[in-house]
Amino acid sequence: RKEVEQDPGPFNVPEGATVAFNCTYSNSASQSFFWYRQDCRKEPKLLMSVYSSGNEDGRFTAQLNRASQYISLLIRDSKLSDSATYLCVVKGGTGRRALTFGSGTRLQVQP
Amino acid sequence: DGGITQSPKYLFRKEGQNVTLSCEQNLNHDAMYWYRQDPGQGLRLIYYSQIVNDFQKGDIAEGYSVSREKKESFPLTVTSAQKNPTAFYLCASTSGEGTDTQYFGPGTRLTVL
Repeated sequence: RKEVEQDPGPFNVPEGATVAFNCTYSNSASQSFFWYRQDCRKEPKLLMSVYSSGNEDGRFTAQLNRASQYISLLIRDSKLSDSATYLCVVKGGTGRRALTFGSGTRLQVQP
Repeated sequence: DGGITQSPKYLFRKEGQNVTLSCEQNLNHDAMYWYRQDPGQGLRLIYYSQIVNDFQKGDIAEGYSVSREKKESFPLTVTSAQKNPTAFYLCASTSGEGTDTQYFGPGTRLTVL
């Protein structure tokens, strides 16, 4: 089983739609959670951290469910510029300083 | 401007040759990381360094080597022992304790012919 699992997509949605991605992680000792965005052939960039209480940044809302070990990202009012791959990222448990990346979910917003 | 630079952007090498990828940061970050990304895959950790003159193997260290002689620099050597070296290589850094946010360089696309 992968440490971090995501549906690869692609999710094809029209402009203005609301779309949600989920991600599950296997290490219950994981401490920190993030969503990164990666454009084609570019480096990943931090979109937002994910907090236990849930957090929102404009059109983006992230939720964490520790009991079920999943993380979600909700994008409202999708824009063409949201088209990218969204990477679910988890900081591992005991002693692991580096991050573990999911394979990503590809979003294509269509006009 | 502060940031992470990687060079070159594209690199072509013949099979059996060692090649060194450059990563430099002027963010004064303590920790630096090397990842490899294959098409349709997530990033996999090759090596990381939390402090100068110290580094640790990641999940896929075989066939790679690193050094950390200066805080700003963390070069990665892809040796001939790496069986499938063609990939997108990403360097990242964090400031250290108290933060997990990683900042990435633009990456180097290595193709072995």
